[in-house]
Amino acid sequence: AQKITQTQPGMFVQEKEAVTLDCTYDTSDQSYGLFWYKQPSSGEMIFLIYQGSYDEQNATEGRYSLNFQKARKSANLVISASQLGDSAMYFCAMRENTGRRALTFGSGTRLQVQP
Amino acid sequence: GAVVSQHPSWVICKSGTSVKIECRSLDFQATTMFWYRQFPKQSLMLMATSNEGSKATYEQGVEKDKFLINHASLTLSTLTVTSAHPEDSSFYICSARRSQGIYEQYFGPGTRLTVT
Repeated sequence: AQKITQTQPGMFVQEKEAVTLDCTYDTSDQSYGLFWYKQPSSGEMIFLIYQGSYDEQNATEGRYSLNFQKARKSANLVISASQLGDSAMYFCAMRENTGRRALTFGSGTRLQVQP
Repeated sequence: GAVVSQHPSWVICKSGTSVKIECRSLDFQATTMFWYRQFPKQSLMLMATSNEGSKATYEQGVEKDKFLINHASLTLSTLTVTSAHPEDSSFYICSARRSQGIYEQYFGPGTRLTVT
């Protein structure tokens, strides 16, 4: 069974600073995908970044980067140059690459960016 | 591209009534759709996996007779909450799986259900 752990229920960061949101995972699969989603108060799930288990380089998407450490089973999200609009819930998720290919979500981290 | 819609975006119903939520993939065909439920301040929990033309697969603890799922076409899946109770009040989000591309799964905007 897959499990995603996010140990930071809430985080504060000053505007323009960088912040790291932690995510560890547990799986017996060799092939899997790791995702980060942002959920603002409106409720929509906004895809941020993806990392495949066989990708050797860390994924980057604009101000978002994923610090993938496979041996430690961690997939931390780094947001650089935080903006007030980054305030939201952030979910780490894992997708199995066989069978249903459903997503398993962590408990989330609420990020608040302070001016 | 890869747009998923849900209707309604919010609904209020009385206990004992049934509510139908639609999930549509607008610009791609989705052989698989997923239904998630999210209680306030909690994470998304997978309820069921819906495959076009076949019965849905429900997660452990989800009552299939209460949460009826129909995936009648490659662009539409519906979730019907039958005999709704206040404890069914939640945010329901669907996602549609696109066969192409590594990201594959695209989320609808969600439906907020309140049962009074």
